[in-house]
Amino acid sequence: QVQLVQSQSEMKKPGASLNISCKASGYSFTTYFIHWVRQAPGQGLEWMGIINPSGGGTSYSQKFQGRVTMTRDTSTNTLYMELTALTSDDTAVYYCARATNSRGYLDYWGQGTLVTVSS
Amino acid sequence: EIVLTQSPGTLSLSPGERATLSCRASQSINSVYVAWYQQKPGQAPRLLIYGASNRATGIPDRMSGSGSGTDFTLTIDKLAPEDFAVYYCQQSGSLPQTFGQGTKVEIK
Repeated sequence: QVQLVQSQSEMKKPGASLNISCKASGYSFTTYFIHWVRQAPGQGLEWMGIINPSGGGTSYSQKFQGRVTMTRDTSTNTLYMELTALTSDDTAVYYCARATNSRGYLDYWGQGTLVTVSS
Repeated sequence: EIVLTQSPGTLSLSPGERATLSCRASQSINSVYVAWYQQKPGQAPRLLIYGASNRATGIPDRMSGSGSGTDFTLTIDKLAPEDFAVYYCQQSGSLPQTFGQGTKVEIK
C-alpha cells in the first residue's frame, strides 16, 4: 500500500534550520510528484512547493523562496525539505503529499511532522 | 495568486442533515484543478473530491462536488457522525497552489 512516512517532531531555536524527511513506499517513486504543505496551529493549509522525484526539478512558493530547498534520494525513495532561518512563525505541522503531476490533486499524505520554533 | 474563500466558516448541523459548503475563487479556475479535502483533529487531510466532481477511492456517494468557473460546492447528504470535521478546497492549476481557509462542520 502507498505510504509516506515522515520524520519525527522537532524543536528548533530561532535562526536554526529544519530538515524533514518523507520516505515513500508502495508505488513507483519517480512516477509521482511530491508537494510540501504546512499547517500552523489552529490554521489552514499552506502550500510550500513541489519536487519531481524523477529529475529533481522543483518549484517553490515565492513566500519561501530563498529559505526552502526540496531534494530527493532515489536510492532510498526519500524526499527531504529543508527550511532555514526559522522564526516562531514557522511553528507548524509539515506534510508531504503525493500527486500524479505538478498540477494534480494530493491523493496520499504523510502523517505530518510537528516543528516547534522557540527560544 | 488565486484566493479561495470558503463559506460559511462554521456549519452547525445535526446528523442526517445536508451540508452545503461553498468555495469561491478570486479568478476562474479550470474545474480539473479543484479538489476537496477532509481533516479531522490530529490527522492529515484526506482527499475527498478531485476534478471538482469526482469522488476519490473509498469516498461514500453521500459526498458530491460540483461547480465551475469561480464557484464550487461540496455537498454532504445525510451527515454521518464521522463527517463532522474541517473541509478545505484547493486549486492546483496555478502557482502557488492555494487552499481555502476551511469550513468546520460541527454537531449542532
